Amino acid sequence: GDSVTQMEGPVTLSEEAFLTINCTYTATGYPSLFWYVQYPGEGLQLLLKATKADDKGSNKGFEATYRKETTSFHLEKGSVQVSDSAVYFCALVRHKFYFGSGTKLNVKP
Amino acid sequence: GAGVSQSPRYKVAKRGQDVALRCDPISGHVSLFWYQQALGQGPEFLTYFQNEAQLDKSGLPSDRFFAERPEGSVSTLKIQRTQQEDSAVYLCASSNGTNYNEQFFGPGTRLTVL
Repeated sequence: GDSVTQMEGPVTLSEEAFLTINCTYTATGYPSLFWYVQYPGEGLQLLLKATKADDKGSNKGFEATYRKETTSFHLEKGSVQVSDSAVYFCALVRHKFYFGSGTKLNVKP
Repeated sequence: GAGVSQSPRYKVAKRGQDVALRCDPISGHVSLFWYQQALGQGPEFLTYFQNEAQLDKSGLPSDRFFAERPEGSVSTLKIQRTQQEDSAVYLCASSNGTNYNEQFFGPGTRLTVL
């Protein structure tokens, strides 16, 4: 069945470091792919999305490219900030949402 | 309102009690979703409404779980005879359009069953 696998956390980085959070998916057909972020004490917020192969989603300095050949949608940011500390969820939609288990990011000053 | 709201934010129940969790979606959003998020896991789909019609309830884990949205706006998730394994955060999301569109999530209700 459809599923999403993302790297386990926590990921701990220093401010201004480069971030990659890996996400791969299994699905028949062509799902839409999403990254959601959950800040401490808050609900899930859409960070970015891509609806077809080779699309690049971007927002707040984060980027992810929909790679059909590797079934991946890795999240990247060139220079993280302390305020980026949160839990990040990769997700796909095909008839319904399927979420990964989340990756906690800690950014130290 | 400005966003999706849920109440209560926290609920403690004794095993065997019935609970009711409320979701107020964004005004005008036709689609409403319920998810269950266990500790350290991603949200798992429970059920989906389009207006008042429950179009998909395949994620409800047992017949103790029941959801309704009688007037196509507010929704209630009811859990009967709660068990310890029901302890989780229950998230509600709404969307303007088909279930493929961006979903706006509420803050969740954390249910603890003792």
